[in-house]
Amino acid sequence: EAQVTQNPRYLITVTGKKLTVTCSQNMNHEYMSWYRQDPGLGLRQIYYSMNVEVTDKGDVPEGYKVSRKEKRNFPLILESPSPNQTSLYFCASSLRGISYGYTFGSGTRLTVV
Amino acid sequence: AQSVTQPDIHITVSEGASLELRCNYSYGATPYLFWYVQSPGQGLQLLLKYFSGDTLVQGIKGFEAEFKRSQSSFNLRKPSVHWSDAAEYFCAVQGVSGGSYIPTFGRGTSLIVHP
Repeated sequence: EAQVTQNPRYLITVTGKKLTVTCSQNMNHEYMSWYRQDPGLGLRQIYYSMNVEVTDKGDVPEGYKVSRKEKRNFPLILESPSPNQTSLYFCASSLRGISYGYTFGSGTRLTVV
Repeated sequence: AQSVTQPDIHITVSEGASLELRCNYSYGATPYLFWYVQSPGQGLQLLLKYFSGDTLVQGIKGFEAEFKRSQSSFNLRKPSVHWSDAAEYFCAVQGVSGGSYIPTFGRGTSLIVHP
């Protein structure tokens, strides 16, 4: 089944403890992206990647890192999480990224205390 | 810069009634336009998309949307709503040139369906 898989689905952590949210897609998509969803703010893009080893900042990149060493994986790294990063996170992928629309993962609900 | 506005935060309809969700965009040319649906606890699913050509596009689950250049709108419609359509709906706009491949999402419209 074609899908984007995120792990974990739920995560509670403490301020300052490094964490990684994994994202993997099995559709050979070039384009991958991370979003955060907050009430009243919709989806805001954190980082995106046009292909392997090519990443760029989205609208809200502060406090996040990404890497794209393989085409299928695009992990999101929070080096020192803070409570304002408590949010619902989505990974998405697309073929070429311009006109095909996204396939989204099921989301990761992160709580930083 | 591109932007998208969904004027309605919540919409309530009765099951079987027709539905129209509004979306207005701002972009210097004709952009790519999308509608997504998010069911509770799920990720977003693509309903339909518009690039060019016929201004009325058909999507999955019986939805359609009409692009109106003069009004900068891309409203989503369904002739008869089912209880399972209760969800959050997002309109998105994406530029078509200059490497502006970053889509912008609206803040969403929550659809409530009464039996």
